[in-house]
Amino acid sequence: GESVGLHLPTLSVQEGDNSIINCAYSNSASDYFIWYKQESGKGPQFIIDIRSNMDKRQGQRVTVLLNKTVKHLSLQIAATQPGDSAVYFCAENRGYSTLTFGKGTMLLVSP
Amino acid sequence: DAGVIQSPRHEVTEMGQEVTLRCKPISGHNSLFWYRQTMMRGLELLIYFNNNVPIDDSGMPEDRFSAKMPNASFSTLKIQPSEPRDSAVYFCASSLGGRGVTGEKLFFGSGTQLSVL
Repeated sequence: GESVGLHLPTLSVQEGDNSIINCAYSNSASDYFIWYKQESGKGPQFIIDIRSNMDKRQGQRVTVLLNKTVKHLSLQIAATQPGDSAVYFCAENRGYSTLTFGKGTMLLVSP
Repeated sequence: DAGVIQSPRHEVTEMGQEVTLRCKPISGHNSLFWYRQTMMRGLELLIYFNNNVPIDDSGMPEDRFSAKMPNASFSTLKIQPSEPRDSAVYFCASSLGGRGVTGEKLFFGSGTQLSVL
């Protein structure tokens, strides 16, 4: 898993498995959360976002879960594919402040 | 939509030289952000503009760094003089909303890999 401000951990999975990437955010007042995917040599790409009035949001093969009680955010990727290999960042903000990014989790998918 | 466009993709320069990084945000976006990414510090916000006006430059490391946004379609980040510790990937990002909008997702460019020797 990942915690905003800590070193970059790595998650290794097999193709077809479900992946869960975790993020512990720091500001209990944060009201918007977002996940980005960054492939090697590219800029971060938006995956999915969620506001604090929701606990869960689903996209295509991805689900974000928010637990405000313990300040925890997770990204679930179903049927992980080699193309999902990348660094995943969570980010948070509150009100009109700018996004604060965590340092990321590297996901390695082996065939 | 071409997305956020940054140039150059790679820049290698010698210590003491001036470096200028360029960014074209997505058309219609009102906010523009400059980030620096390193393994040690992750993604750091340097400065952001709203409607071409600098709003928060508290992340700019020191006076050697400056940023401008002369119009809605162009921004520059300049480092003068450059130092080896400035070596990093510099990203530009833009978003649709203004200061009255919360929770806006950012769209990033491909970055400029800067190496200062």
